[in-house]
Amino acid sequence: AQSVTQLGSHVSVSEGALVLLRCNYSSSVPPYLFWYVQYPNQGLQLLLKYTSAATLVKGINGFEAEFKKSETSFHLTKPSAHMSDAAEYFCAVSDSSGGYNKLIFGAGTRLAVHP
Amino acid sequence: EPEVTQTPSHQVTQMGQEVILRCVPISNHLYFYWYRQILGQKVEFLVSFYNNEISEKSEIFDDQFSVERPDGSNFTLKIRSTKLEDSAMYFCASRSGGSAANEQFFGPGTRLTVL
Repeated sequence: AQSVTQLGSHVSVSEGALVLLRCNYSSSVPPYLFWYVQYPNQGLQLLLKYTSAATLVKGINGFEAEFKKSETSFHLTKPSAHMSDAAEYFCAVSDSSGGYNKLIFGAGTRLAVHP
Repeated sequence: EPEVTQTPSHQVTQMGQEVILRCVPISNHLYFYWYRQILGQKVEFLVSFYNNEISEKSEIFDDQFSVERPDGSNFTLKIRSTKLEDSAMYFCASRSGGSAANEQFFGPGTRLTVL
């Protein structure tokens, strides 16, 4: 069965500092991986996705993630944090075992950005 | 830009009552999903729906739950007799056909509180 682990339920960074949110996955087949962001009182918005085309994936708002098969990781980074990045971030893997590609989510990481 | 909408944004109900949560997926999408997030916990898959029938459901989706797409646009989740533990944020999502790598688009969620 596929699963996702996000290390760190809370991450706090200074404005302008590097953002690193960790995600490790478990999958018996080549995975499709996603990062979603949830701002307060809003739904989940896709930041970026890995679909095997390229290991370094660039997303919206300056975020990127690198797929590392040897480490089964898909960590999310941003070189310089902005106050508006404060939100909850979810890593997810698409589970194709049932044929309809439900998403399996990690527990989420709440990012705080302080001045 | 097309988006998934959900109503109501908040629903408060008494234990044992029936609730219907409504979603309008993106119009040309073919796959529909419900997820829920209990406060402080991860987003969990409930059910997927394709070609006017349930394609996959989780262990959470017991006989108290049902889904339907009554008119080709709305997609509803019904909980027949609510329990305290049904209190959660419920998210609807939809996905276009084609590649399994296509992202799921999420609605803003309905917060259900069962008293």
